[in-house]
Amino acid sequence: QKEVEQNSGPLSVPEGAIASLNCTYSDRGSQSFFWYRQYSGKSPELIMSIYSNGDKEDGRFTAQLNKASQYVSLLIRDSQPSDSATYLCAVNYGGSQGNLIFGKGTKLSVKP
Amino acid sequence: DAGITQSPRYKITETGRQVTLMCHQTWSHSYMFWYRQDLGHGLRLIYYSAAADITDKGEVPDGYVVSRSKTENFPLTLESATRSQTSVYFCASKGSGTSGGGTDTQYFGPGTRLTVL
Repeated sequence: QKEVEQNSGPLSVPEGAIASLNCTYSDRGSQSFFWYRQYSGKSPELIMSIYSNGDKEDGRFTAQLNKASQYVSLLIRDSQPSDSATYLCAVNYGGSQGNLIFGKGTKLSVKP
Repeated sequence: DAGITQSPRYKITETGRQVTLMCHQTWSHSYMFWYRQDLGHGLRLIYYSAAADITDKGEVPDGYVVSRSKTENFPLTLESATRSQTSVYFCASKGSGTSGGGTDTQYFGPGTRLTVL
């Protein structure tokens, strides 16, 4: 069974620190990877997508992918209280439909 | 408004009643999806559709029915609601690319919070 695993948290970091969120997946055939942010009571919104090994940076966010080790991570630099949310890792296992498998999410709390 | 919308946003119904949740997108995306989100389970795929008149089951399809007569609409029907179907339901859509290049990104609607008494 294809799985995506995340620590449920909560992960608590002080304002201005780096928050590190991790995700592992079970199928080596996975092709693309996504990080979504979900505020309480709201819908998931895309933060980053990554398709190749290595780092991808977008503002304060950096996604890291290591296909050999089957993990993907999200770093949030200079964390702000507004970053407090649940972060969902999603993996596209390929196939004609490109459906996503979601992890259960990591709850991040940034303390002022 | 452009984007993906869901209606109603909140719904309370009783066990055994039929309920239909609506989803509408203005991007002309080929693919549309229905998920439910429950504490401890995360997002689980109920049904998806690759195009009008093409639908397929996801991880948890039992008790649900979908149709897609038009590209922009993807209604989800609970034929006889049960308490276990109390959940938050999200509709999502994506373009026709299967991987890479950002074309496989799914975009979510605002959700429908359904309570079955």
